[in-house]
Amino acid sequence: DIVMTQAPLSVSVTPGESASISCRSSKSLLHSNGITYVYWYLQKPGKSPQLLIYRMSNLASGVPDRFSGSGSETDFTLKISRVEAEDVGIYYCGQLLENPLTFGSGTKLEIK
Amino acid sequence: QVKLLQSGAALVKPGDSVKMSCKASGYTFTDYIIHWVKQSHGKSLEWIGYINPYSGGTNYNEKFKSKATLTVDKSSSTAYMEFSRLTSEDSAIYYCARRGFDYWGQGVMVTVSS
Repeated sequence: DIVMTQAPLSVSVTPGESASISCRSSKSLLHSNGITYVYWYLQKPGKSPQLLIYRMSNLASGVPDRFSGSGSETDFTLKISRVEAEDVGIYYCGQLLENPLTFGSGTKLEIK
Repeated sequence: QVKLLQSGAALVKPGDSVKMSCKASGYTFTDYIIHWVKQSHGKSLEWIGYINPYSGGTNYNEKFKSKATLTVDKSSSTAYMEFSRLTSEDSAIYYCARRGFDYWGQGVMVTVSS
Protein backbone atom coordinates (compact mmCIF):
# COMPACT_ATOMS: atom_id res chain seq x y z
CA ASP A 1 0.00 0.00 0.00
CA ILE A 2 1.16 3.57 -0.64
CA VAL A 3 1.87 5.33 2.65
CA MET A 4 1.08 9.04 2.87
CA THR A 5 3.06 10.86 5.57
CA GLN A 6 2.01 14.35 6.62
CA ALA A 7 3.86 17.00 8.59
CA PRO A 8 3.43 18.73 10.90
CA LEU A 9 0.80 17.07 13.08
CA SER A 10 -0.55 20.49 13.94
CA VAL A 11 0.08 24.09 13.04
CA SER A 12 -1.02 27.31 14.73
CA VAL A 13 -1.33 30.34 12.49
CA THR A 14 -2.06 34.03 13.00
CA PRO A 15 -4.91 35.29 10.80
CA GLY A 16 -3.52 36.85 7.65
CA GLU A 17 -0.32 34.81 7.76
CA SER A 18 0.48 31.85 5.52
CA ALA A 19 0.66 28.16 6.36
CA SER A 20 2.20 25.20 4.58
CA ILE A 21 1.47 21.52 5.06
CA SER A 22 3.68 18.78 3.69
CA CYS A 23 2.79 15.33 2.46
CA ARG A 24 5.17 12.62 1.29
CA SER A 25 4.19 9.43 -0.52
CA SER A 26 6.08 6.14 -0.30
CA LYS A 27 5.83 5.77 -4.06
CA SER A 28 5.73 8.15 -7.01
CA LEU A 29 2.20 9.40 -7.66
CA LEU A 30 3.06 10.47 -11.20
CA HIS A 31 1.09 8.39 -13.68
CA SER A 32 2.36 7.65 -17.16
CA ASN A 33 -0.34 10.03 -18.44
CA GLY A 34 1.51 12.92 -16.83
CA ILE A 35 -1.02 13.43 -14.03
CA THR A 36 0.07 13.35 -10.39
CA TYR A 37 -2.70 11.77 -8.37
CA VAL A 38 -2.43 13.57 -5.05
CA TYR A 39 -5.45 15.28 -3.54
CA TRP A 40 -5.99 17.57 -0.56
CA TYR A 41 -9.05 17.72 1.69
CA LEU A 42 -10.19 19.81 4.62
CA GLN A 43 -12.40 18.43 7.35
CA LYS A 44 -13.90 21.25 9.36
CA PRO A 45 -15.00 20.42 12.91
CA GLY A 46 -18.06 18.16 12.91
CA LYS A 47 -18.30 18.14 9.11
CA SER A 48 -17.56 15.82 6.21
CA PRO A 49 -14.25 16.25 4.40
CA GLN A 50 -14.31 18.60 1.42
CA LEU A 51 -12.07 18.56 -1.63
CA LEU A 52 -9.61 21.45 -1.90
CA ILE A 53 -7.05 20.41 -4.51
CA TYR A 54 -7.12 17.63 -7.07
CA ARG A 55 -4.33 16.17 -9.20
CA MET A 56 -1.71 17.99 -7.15
CA SER A 57 -2.33 21.58 -8.21
CA ASN A 58 -5.90 22.04 -9.43
CA LEU A 59 -8.26 24.09 -7.30
CA ALA A 60 -11.60 22.40 -6.67
CA SER A 61 -14.78 24.27 -7.53
CA GLY A 62 -15.71 26.95 -5.01
CA VAL A 63 -12.40 26.82 -3.14
CA PRO A 64 -10.78 30.21 -2.52
CA ASP A 65 -7.59 30.87 -4.48
CA ARG A 66 -5.79 31.37 -1.16
CA PHE A 67 -5.30 27.61 -1.38
CA SER A 68 -2.68 26.15 -3.70
CA GLY A 69 -1.01 22.80 -4.22
CA SER A 70 2.40 21.95 -5.57
CA GLY A 71 5.02 19.24 -5.52
CA SER A 72 7.05 16.62 -7.28
CA GLU A 73 6.46 12.89 -7.70
CA THR A 74 6.62 12.06 -4.00
CA ASP A 75 6.73 15.34 -2.08
CA PHE A 76 3.76 17.65 -1.98
CA THR A 77 2.79 20.92 -0.35
CA LEU A 78 -0.50 22.59 0.40
CA LYS A 79 -0.13 26.31 0.94
CA ILE A 80 -2.75 28.52 2.51
CA SER A 81 -2.17 32.21 2.01
CA ARG A 82 -3.80 34.82 4.24
CA VAL A 83 -5.25 32.27 6.68
CA GLU A 84 -8.75 33.02 7.92
CA ALA A 85 -10.68 31.75 10.92
CA GLU A 86 -12.86 29.59 8.64
CA ASP A 87 -9.76 27.58 7.59
CA VAL A 88 -9.56 25.71 10.92
CA GLY A 89 -9.86 21.98 10.77
CA ILE A 90 -7.88 18.91 9.79
CA TYR A 91 -6.16 18.78 6.42
CA TYR A 92 -5.60 15.43 4.72
CA CYS A 93 -3.64 14.47 1.67
CA GLY A 94 -4.64 11.38 -0.26
CA GLN A 95 -3.56 9.40 -3.29
CA LEU A 96 -5.81 8.15 -6.07
CA LEU A 97 -3.10 6.49 -8.14
CA GLU A 98 -3.67 2.92 -7.12
CA ASN A 99 -5.80 0.71 -4.91
CA PRO A 100 -6.10 0.71 -2.04
CA LEU A 101 -6.58 4.48 -2.03
CA THR A 102 -4.85 5.89 1.03
CA PHE A 103 -4.85 9.08 3.07
CA GLY A 104 -2.38 10.83 5.33
CA SER A 105 -2.94 10.99 9.08
CA GLY A 106 -3.96 14.63 8.96
CA THR A 107 -2.64 18.05 10.01
CA LYS A 108 -4.67 20.11 12.41
CA LEU A 109 -4.73 23.84 11.69
CA GLU A 110 -5.57 26.16 14.56
CA ILE A 111 -5.81 29.93 14.74
CA LYS A 112 -3.63 31.81 17.22
CA GLN B 1 -26.81 20.97 -7.02
CA VAL B 2 -25.02 17.71 -6.31
CA LYS B 3 -26.04 16.06 -3.05
CA LEU B 4 -25.29 12.74 -1.41
CA LEU B 5 -27.78 12.08 1.37
CA GLN B 6 -26.92 9.26 3.72
CA SER B 7 -29.14 7.29 6.05
CA GLY B 8 -29.32 7.91 9.77
CA ALA B 9 -27.16 6.74 12.64
CA ALA B 10 -27.27 3.09 13.62
CA LEU B 11 -26.83 1.28 16.95
CA VAL B 12 -26.17 -2.39 16.36
CA LYS B 13 -25.11 -5.42 18.39
CA PRO B 14 -21.83 -7.27 17.95
CA GLY B 15 -22.14 -9.94 15.29
CA ASP B 16 -25.00 -8.19 13.52
CA SER B 17 -24.95 -6.52 10.11
CA VAL B 18 -25.84 -2.98 9.13
CA LYS B 19 -26.89 -1.64 5.75
CA MET B 20 -26.59 2.06 5.03
CA SER B 21 -27.64 4.11 2.04
CA CYS B 22 -26.35 7.05 0.01
CA LYS B 23 -28.94 8.74 -2.20
CA ALA B 24 -27.52 10.86 -5.02
CA SER B 25 -29.21 13.84 -6.62
CA GLY B 26 -28.28 16.74 -8.88
CA TYR B 27 -26.33 14.70 -11.44
CA THR B 28 -26.58 11.55 -13.56
CA PHE B 29 -26.05 8.78 -11.01
CA THR B 30 -24.58 6.30 -13.46
CA ASP B 31 -21.87 8.69 -14.67
CA TYR B 32 -19.78 8.62 -11.47
CA ILE B 33 -18.45 5.87 -9.23
CA ILE B 34 -19.29 6.03 -5.53
CA HIS B 35 -16.59 5.54 -2.91
CA TRP B 36 -17.08 4.51 0.70
CA VAL B 37 -14.75 5.70 3.45
CA LYS B 38 -14.44 4.83 7.14
CA GLN B 39 -13.39 7.29 9.83
CA SER B 40 -12.89 5.88 13.29
CA HIS B 41 -13.26 8.32 16.18
CA GLY B 42 -10.53 10.93 16.08
CA LYS B 43 -8.69 9.06 13.37
CA SER B 44 -7.88 9.43 9.72
CA LEU B 45 -9.73 8.16 6.67
CA GLU B 46 -9.74 4.59 5.36
CA TRP B 47 -10.93 3.74 1.90
CA ILE B 48 -13.30 0.78 1.86
CA GLY B 49 -13.99 0.49 -1.87
CA TYR B 50 -16.04 1.81 -4.74
CA ILE B 51 -18.91 0.77 -6.94
CA ASN B 52 -19.66 1.73 -10.52
CA PRO B 53 -23.40 2.47 -10.61
CA TYR B 54 -23.55 1.92 -14.37
CA SER B 55 -22.11 -1.60 -14.40
CA GLY B 56 -22.42 -2.62 -10.77
CA GLY B 57 -18.73 -3.43 -10.82
CA THR B 58 -16.89 -3.10 -7.51
CA ASN B 59 -13.36 -2.67 -6.24
CA TYR B 60 -12.58 -3.31 -2.58
CA ASN B 61 -9.73 -2.57 -0.24
CA GLU B 62 -8.47 -6.05 0.68
CA LYS B 63 -8.86 -5.12 4.34
CA PHE B 64 -12.62 -4.80 3.94
CA LYS B 65 -13.26 -7.43 1.29
CA SER B 66 -14.90 -9.91 3.66
CA LYS B 67 -16.60 -7.18 5.66
CA ALA B 68 -18.29 -4.84 3.16
CA THR B 69 -20.72 -5.40 0.31
CA LEU B 70 -21.46 -2.54 -2.08
CA THR B 71 -24.58 -2.41 -4.22
CA VAL B 72 -26.68 0.16 -6.07
CA ASP B 73 -30.29 0.69 -7.08
CA LYS B 74 -30.21 2.69 -10.30
CA SER B 75 -33.94 3.30 -10.23
CA SER B 76 -33.62 5.36 -7.06
CA SER B 77 -30.05 6.66 -7.60
CA THR B 78 -29.02 5.08 -4.33
CA ALA B 79 -25.83 3.31 -3.34
CA TYR B 80 -25.75 0.90 -0.41
CA MET B 81 -23.06 -0.54 1.80
CA GLU B 82 -23.67 -3.54 4.04
CA PHE B 83 -21.17 -4.21 6.81
CA SER B 84 -21.30 -7.65 8.35
CA ARG B 85 -20.16 -9.48 11.49
CA LEU B 86 -19.76 -6.21 13.32
CA THR B 87 -17.34 -5.74 16.21
CA SER B 88 -16.44 -2.73 18.33
CA GLU B 89 -13.68 -1.98 15.81
CA ASP B 90 -16.38 -1.18 13.26
CA SER B 91 -17.79 1.67 15.35
CA ALA B 92 -17.07 4.68 13.16
CA ILE B 93 -18.50 7.25 10.79
CA TYR B 94 -18.96 5.98 7.25
CA TYR B 95 -19.01 8.35 4.30
CA CYS B 96 -19.96 7.94 0.70
CA ALA B 97 -18.26 10.20 -1.82
CA ARG B 98 -18.45 10.71 -5.55
CA ARG B 99 -15.59 9.92 -7.93
CA GLY B 100 -12.60 12.15 -7.20
CA PHE B 101 -14.08 12.76 -3.75
CA ASP B 102 -15.51 16.05 -5.01
CA TYR B 103 -18.76 15.58 -3.11
CA TRP B 104 -19.29 13.74 0.17
CA GLY B 105 -22.31 12.58 2.08
CA GLN B 106 -22.90 13.80 5.61
CA GLY B 107 -21.74 10.50 7.09
CA VAL B 108 -23.42 7.71 9.04
CA MET B 109 -22.37 7.07 12.62
CA VAL B 110 -22.40 3.37 13.41
CA THR B 111 -22.08 2.30 17.03
CA VAL B 112 -21.52 -1.36 17.84
CA SER B 113 -22.51 -2.16 21.39
CA SER B 114 -24.31 -4.87 23.29
